[in-house]
Amino acid sequence: EVQLVQSGAEVKKPGESLKISCKGSGYSFPIYWIGWVRQMPGKGLEWMGFTYPSDSDTRYSPSFQGQVTISVDKSINTAYLQWSSLKASDTAIYYCVRLKGGSYWADPIDYWGQGTLVTVSS
Amino acid sequence: SYVLTQPPLVSVAPGNTARITCVKSNIESRSVHWYQQTPGQAPVLVIFHDSDRPSRIPERFSGSNSGNTATLTISGVEAGDEADYFCQVWDTSRDRWIFGGGTKLTVL
Repeated sequence: EVQLVQSGAEVKKPGESLKISCKGSGYSFPIYWIGWVRQMPGKGLEWMGFTYPSDSDTRYSPSFQGQVTISVDKSINTAYLQWSSLKASDTAIYYCVRLKGGSYWADPIDYWGQGTLVTVSS
Repeated sequence: SYVLTQPPLVSVAPGNTARITCVKSNIESRSVHWYQQTPGQAPVLVIFHDSDRPSRIPERFSGSNSGNTATLTISGVEAGDEADYFCQVWDTSRDRWIFGGGTKLTVL
């Protein structure tokens, strides 16, 4: 069974750094694109970016380029989403997602993690 | 800007058919995916590549894409179908995924 298990909820202050994780299991981790989707409170879905674990090729949404870092450690089947300086507007649920196939521009998201709530407040 | 327009709310009586639209100029040239999100849960893929259905999704769910409108159709609506539904396409001009604003389906 495919599973994406994310790290737990975080409460941070503005300006702090943060790295959340997502561990994949039940499938061949290196050959599926894995990425992140943001959902701000009461709002819709926003694609942030994807990475291909086999070669660490990473694609960012223009809206998030330079704002976050997506990385992966294929030796432990884990993807990461990182901020160097959080803002209150980063408060949201962050979902780890896996793409169904090898084409990040065409294939749908077929598995979602449970979500990680990040709260940024002074 | 590249915007996918969905109606904010669709209401339907149990047993009837719900149609949720996703509008963008020439959307038929894009492959559209649909997700269902119930309150407090992660989204679930219900339709991909316009009209394909994951094996675990009931046949009541179907999709189409023509002209400027992609449509998610739910036949024989049940109370458990009450959720937010989002469409998704790839924006080739900016190399990014775009989601529609979402449609809340209420079952009367």
